[in-house]
Amino acid sequence: EVQLVQSGAEVKKPGESLKISCKGSGYSFTSYWIGWVRQMPGKGLEWMGIIYPGDSDTRYSPSFQGQVTISADKSISTAYLQWSSLKASDTAMYYCVRVVAGHDAFDIWGQGTMVTVSS
Amino acid sequence: SSELTQDPAVSVALGQTVRITCQGDSLRSYYASWYQQKPGQAPVLVIYGKNNRPSGIPDRFSGSSSGNTASLTITGAQAEDEADYYCNSRDSSGNHLMVFGGGTKLTVL
Repeated sequence: EVQLVQSGAEVKKPGESLKISCKGSGYSFTSYWIGWVRQMPGKGLEWMGIIYPGDSDTRYSPSFQGQVTISADKSISTAYLQWSSLKASDTAMYYCVRVVAGHDAFDIWGQGTMVTVSS
Repeated sequence: SSELTQDPAVSVALGQTVRITCQGDSLRSYYASWYQQKPGQAPVLVIYGKNNRPSGIPDRFSGSSSGNTASLTITGAQAEDEADYYCNSRDSSGNHLMVFGGGTKLTVL
């Protein structure tokens, strides 16, 4: 079964760092782009960026460039999303997604990781 | 603000046909994909490309595009189709950057 399994919910304080993960299985992890999508409480979906694990080519939405870092470790089929200094406004659900080969679409979604930033 | 514009809310009577639209300049060059999200769940891809349905998506869901507008049509809406629907495509730069529409809340009456 093709799936993306994300790390568990996090509760952090403003200014702390965080790295969440997304492990792919059931397919060739290095052959598909992996993206990250943010959904703030009660709000819509926001595309953050994507990475190609095969060569670590990474693209960011202008809204998230410099705010987060996307990376991948192809040896363990895992993508990451990290923050160096969290803000309360980073409180959201974060989904990792697999990009359909040859299309601008996301066919596989992780279960989501809820990140809560509160003092 | 999103480069893809969706109506915030649409309603349809049970069994009737509804069209959910998504407007944006990038849609003149790129296809939209469509996602259904029910409360407390991750989104699910329902349409991508010219009019492709992933395995398991009912054939009452279809997609089309004209000019700067992409549409998701549900023919014979069911109660279980009540959900939020989001479109997604490349942004205007075309540099493999993508953007979501603001979402449409579909109510099945």
